[in-house]
Amino acid sequence: DAGVIQSPRHEVTEMGQEVTLRCKPISGHNSLFWYRQTMMRGLELLIYFNNNVPIDDSGMPEDRFSAKMPNASFSTLKIQPSEPRDSAVYFCAGKASLNTEAFFGQGTRLTVV
Amino acid sequence: DQQVKQNSPSLSVQEGRISILNCDYTNSMFDYFLWYKKYPAEGPTFLISISSIKDKNEDGRFTVFLNKSAKHLSLHIVPSQPGDSAVYFCAASRPNSGYALNFGKGTSLLVTP
Repeated sequence: DAGVIQSPRHEVTEMGQEVTLRCKPISGHNSLFWYRQTMMRGLELLIYFNNNVPIDDSGMPEDRFSAKMPNASFSTLKIQPSEPRDSAVYFCAGKASLNTEAFFGQGTRLTVV
Repeated sequence: DQQVKQNSPSLSVQEGRISILNCDYTNSMFDYFLWYKKYPAEGPTFLISISSIKDKNEDGRFTVFLNKSAKHLSLHIVPSQPGDSAVYFCAASRPNSGYALNFGKGTSLLVTP
């Protein structure tokens, strides 16, 4: 298995533009998490899905952020419109079952100018 | 509200000596704890975990200790090697949140030859 695959690895966009981050979890991992890493706040949970259903999105900072998981092998995190303060590294992670470790992708480094 | 705290941003240890990384948590509902290691430009990778029913778990050079009464855990690396130089994140999870990981802000470990 290639592990959790995130794309793009780097994204530079202008303020106001829409940004879509993508994640392909490991096959069979039925929990999926989106995290954001910044210097100030560290790794913070944005949203998680169980069996493709969003369970808790309380970490999503604003309505500008949305996430979907249309099937077990794909998820997206969208920011519309993007702002400079959204600049961060965004990680996707998956788990095979609840009480186990999560496997992380390599992250997407987003820069909004 | 940081429920998992790593109060030492950095630690420097000589090769061959013991590295001790510390972590404190505030939520008594956490019952599963993990340590992750992160290299620059990569996602966090799982290192070792411990359930709240145990007070120690060992895997090769890595041992995690859990003190539930003090809400404290630590990671011991013996002997430390230069390749261990990385950022180490402590994480905690609980049943009623899908075992989503709550992370500390990390400790940067430098192992010098």
